[in-house]
Amino acid sequence: DAKTTQPTSMDCAEGRAANLPCNHSTISGNEYVYWYRQIHSQGPQYIIHGLKNNETNEMASLIITEDRKSSTLILPHATLRDTAVYYCIVRVAGPDYSSNTGKLIFGQGTTLQVKP
Amino acid sequence: NAGVTQTPKFRVLKTGQSMTLLCAQDMNHEYMYWYRQDPGMGLRLIHYSVGEGTTAKGEVPDGYNVSRLKKQNFLLGLESAAPSQTSVYFCASTLAGGLGTQYFGPGTRLLVL
Repeated sequence: DAKTTQPTSMDCAEGRAANLPCNHSTISGNEYVYWYRQIHSQGPQYIIHGLKNNETNEMASLIITEDRKSSTLILPHATLRDTAVYYCIVRVAGPDYSSNTGKLIFGQGTTLQVKP
Repeated sequence: NAGVTQTPKFRVLKTGQSMTLLCAQDMNHEYMYWYRQDPGMGLRLIHYSVGEGTTAKGEVPDGYNVSRLKKQNFLLGLESAAPSQTSVYFCASTLAGGLGTQYFGPGTRLLVL
């Protein structure tokens, strides 16, 4: 699985959009970009994932560059409850069930502090 | 629907003692995982299972054993605990093929003295 690089920490004002970047320059064609977050030592929580198109759900939006070497997670209106460590993970999620173990390789993530 | 549950929530062991951590899921997931998380670090995979009766090693398997006798349960064993195994342990599960979201349990905090 490709390696990812994220900033160690970021601040965001409450109510503003939080934009969390992730670099994955060695991503290959069958690798997806996943985002998870971990709030105060709880179990990680899935946010969103994508392959090459931009994705949006009730929690966030994911913007993937055309060359797929980087992506940005956007929390449109950050709240204090969004303060967490955000992990960007690249992994294979293709149709070959025999080789897809679904393993997640976590880096150190980005600590997002949402401030009042 | 409880999702993924872990037992116990917290445990203190002395060096050399043994214990088993239990992970249970009620989502009929095929794949299950055990991770550990040390302070200030991301999660690291210990062992995983892609089906009942099967297990495989992850990144940091030494000092741990696992068993998956029932589809809904995944047990993590420490035969002889060491202080280096002080950590928070998370269990997760997902659908077959690893294509879906991984659902994580609340964690077990283990302190080895």
